[in-house]
Amino acid sequence: QKEVEQDPGPLSVPEGAIVSLNCTYSNSAFQYFMWYRQYSRKGPELLMYTYSSGNKEDGRFTAQVDKSSKYISLFIRDSQPSDSATYLCAMSGDRGSTLGRLYFGRGTQLTVWP
Amino acid sequence: NAGVTQTPKFQVLKTGQSMTLQCAQDMNHEYMSWYRQDPGMGLRLIHYSVGAGITDQGEVPNGYNVSRSTTEDFPLRLLSAAPSQTSVYFCASTPGGKQETQYFGPGTRLLVL
Repeated sequence: QKEVEQDPGPLSVPEGAIVSLNCTYSNSAFQYFMWYRQYSRKGPELLMYTYSSGNKEDGRFTAQVDKSSKYISLFIRDSQPSDSATYLCAMSGDRGSTLGRLYFGRGTQLTVWP
Repeated sequence: NAGVTQTPKFQVLKTGQSMTLQCAQDMNHEYMSWYRQDPGMGLRLIHYSVGAGITDQGEVPNGYNVSRSTTEDFPLRLLSAAPSQTSVYFCASTPGGKQETQYFGPGTRLLVL
């Protein structure tokens, strides 16, 4: 079992829809939870990060972390065609094998059509 | 700042050939990492370094060597390329202790025939 599980999709939604992307994990040592966005043939870019549990909002994007369930989510409100990309969740910790390295999910390919 | 740069952008190798993928960063970041990305597999860590002179293995290190003689550079060496190493390779850097802020390079596409 991979330490981070993410449904690869693909996910296709109309413009204006609310998008929900999710990851689950197994390592309780993870403390940092990130979402990266990757456009086709480009490197990943950090979209949002959350430390430990809770919610974080940035414009149309909201990240949620539920450590008790080992479950993280990214919500995109009022989705736009420019949001079409692959979204990767990533996690790391501050001790043991989780220190100094990121563990990635497989990525979810999202298409927002006009 | 140029950020994280990678060369070459694209490379074709024959089985058994060797090559070095270059990675450099100008942000004085302590941590640097190499990942490979294959369809449906996400990003998998090959090797990483927490500072000059210190390297460690990641999830898929076999067939790859690294060294870190300076803070700025972190080259990845393929000693004897195999078709299974056909992939897109990304280098990343981060300030020490801030794993949430990894910066990725544009990637190197490698095809091994």
